[in-house]
Amino acid sequence: GNSVTQMEGPVTLSEEAFLTINCTYTATGYPSLFWYVQYPGEGLQLLLKATKADDKGSNKGFEATYRKETTSFHLEKGSVQVSDSAVYFCALSDHNTNAGKSTFGDGTTLTVKP
Amino acid sequence: EAGVAQSPRYKIIEKRQSVAFWCNPISGHATLYWYQQILGQGPKLLIQFQNNGVVDDSQLPKDRFSAERLKGVDSTLKIQPAKLEDSAVYLCASSFRTGGSKQETQYFGPGTRLLVL
Repeated sequence: GNSVTQMEGPVTLSEEAFLTINCTYTATGYPSLFWYVQYPGEGLQLLLKATKADDKGSNKGFEATYRKETTSFHLEKGSVQVSDSAVYFCALSDHNTNAGKSTFGDGTTLTVKP
Repeated sequence: EAGVAQSPRYKIIEKRQSVAFWCNPISGHATLYWYQQILGQGPKLLIQFQNNGVVDDSQLPKDRFSAERLKGVDSTLKIQPAKLEDSAVYLCASSFRTGGSKQETQYFGPGTRLLVL
């Protein structure tokens, strides 16, 4: 079956540091890949997505590139801010089965200190 | 545009009691999802509706969980009777449509945090 494996947290960084959160996946066919963010007390929000190999998703300074050869979708940001502190979830959607169903990783908690 | 609404936000019950959660999706969204998110884990899909029909309920524990989406708009998720392991956040999400070749963006509500004692 489909699965998503994320880098374990928590991750603690100083403001303006470089961020990488690793994500690898297992899926049949050609899934779409997503990063969601969950701020304290709020629901999940879509951060960025990529729907085919070599696509790069980007939003709010965050980027992730769909790497089919390594089955990865690592999240990066060049300079984090305190306001980026949240839980980040990597997810996939496999169009070979249910086009609307997403499989999520277990989340990585990021804390950015001033 | 109003987001996905859920109520209640918090609920504490004793085991073997019943509980119900309500979700109002974004207006015009045909697809509605219920997820269970246990502490420290990612969301797990329980059930997916397309309008008022069930598309996927393969991971719904049907001996105790039930869900309905009357008239293809609001939805209710019920647990009867609750067990300790049902303690989790229950997330509702909606999307404009599903099918086709590309994933539609899912919009999530704030969730209902359930504690079973």
